[in-house]
Amino acid sequence: ETGVTQSPTHLIKTRGQQVTLRCSSQSGHNTVSWYQQALGQGPQFIFQYYREEENGRGNFPPRFSGLQFPNYSSELNVNALELDDSALYLCASRSGLLVHEQYFGPGTRLTVT
Amino acid sequence: AQTVTQSQPEMSVQEAETVTLSCTYDTSESDYYLFWYKQPPSRQMILVIRQEAYKQQNATENRFSVNFQKAAKSFSLKISDSQLGDAAMYFCAYRSAIQSGGGADGLTFGKGTHLIIQP
Repeated sequence: ETGVTQSPTHLIKTRGQQVTLRCSSQSGHNTVSWYQQALGQGPQFIFQYYREEENGRGNFPPRFSGLQFPNYSSELNVNALELDDSALYLCASRSGLLVHEQYFGPGTRLTVT
Repeated sequence: AQTVTQSQPEMSVQEAETVTLSCTYDTSESDYYLFWYKQPPSRQMILVIRQEAYKQQNATENRFSVNFQKAAKSFSLKISDSQLGDAAMYFCAYRSAIQSGGGADGLTFGKGTHLIIQP
């Protein structure tokens, strides 16, 4: 166990809806990254947050947005869901931008129908 | 942009034997980090081993070691004395040493190698 938790474990949404996924970082970790892992693929970097500010973003459209709270927990929001958004969403936390070891949560499996 | 390639979708090895997983990457940077992650069916990514590009010495963690060839941009993982608990997806990943607030700040993963351990 890494100490990083995610909720919910899985959920099903309809195309066009909005979804919020949550991540609780390991204690003391002020940096969180979110990844999208499609079936049979490696994870793809969505964005990262450092001390409540977005700091680094991959090639994902603006309908993917996030928040990081003062306790360093975070959310990933996806608007206008598309079928291709079906994937495992992983968050990973670490204790600073210059720290390279990051700890992953178990993921949220999102299915869009 | 950096890319990571894992050319072996699946590998199978007998318990107690040694297996090597391949990874190549493409980058124009000279300073970076390379990782091997394990993802068992529970889905939680676990860091197996890390290599800093500026270090010539290959990293080792117990039964896991790497063969880092910087000029060839190759980063293979050797698992010795394979155990049933080693069965999982293994991902090679790259991260730039320069944090610029862009897409390079995250990990770039390969597509993974599914490792099967035969009892």
